[in-house]
Amino acid sequence: DAKTTQPTSMDCAEGRAANLPCNHSTISGNEYVYWYRQIHSQGPQYIIHGLKNNETNEMASLIITEDRKSSTLILPHATLRDTAVYYCIVRVVAGANSKLTFGKGITLSVRP
Amino acid sequence: DAGVTQSPTHLIKTRGQQVTLRCSPKSGHDTVSWYQQALGQGPQFIFQYYEEEERQRGNFPDRFSGHQFPNYSSELNVNALWLGDSALYLCASSLTGLDEQFFGPGTRLTVL
Repeated sequence: DAKTTQPTSMDCAEGRAANLPCNHSTISGNEYVYWYRQIHSQGPQYIIHGLKNNETNEMASLIITEDRKSSTLILPHATLRDTAVYYCIVRVVAGANSKLTFGKGITLSVRP
Repeated sequence: DAGVTQSPTHLIKTRGQQVTLRCSPKSGHDTVSWYQQALGQGPQFIFQYYEEEERQRGNFPDRFSGHQFPNYSSELNVNALWLGDSALYLCASSLTGLDEQFFGPGTRLTVL
């Protein structure tokens, strides 16, 4: 699986959009971009994933650049409950539940 | 619908001892993966079980072993514990053919 690079930390104000960047310059054509988050003392939680088109669900939006070398996770209206470590992962989806390779992630702090 | 459950929540062992951790997957899921998360690090993949067989394995020594039962629940066994085995052990379940892994809350193992 390709490696990803994320800033160590960032913060944003409650109610504002949080834009979390991720670089994955060595991503292969068959690798998807996944985002998980881990709130303190809990297991990681799936957020969203995509291949090359932008994706949106009830939690977030995922914007992938045209060359697929980077992506941005957008939390449109951050709340205090969104304070967590966010992991960007690239992964081959082979229909066989392939493993997740986590880095250190980015710590998002949402301030009141 | 219960999510992924793990037991025990916390555990304290001494060096050289053996430990067994347990995981019940989300209802309907057939695959269980185990991850180790050291303090301040992202989770690291240990192994994955499907149809009672180990299907994938990460870079962990043979001291780490597992089992999956016919009801899809799973155990992680660690022999000859080291201080470095102190970590949060996470179980994730998934269903073959789908992409999302659901994580349990983890078992916090402390080796003294």
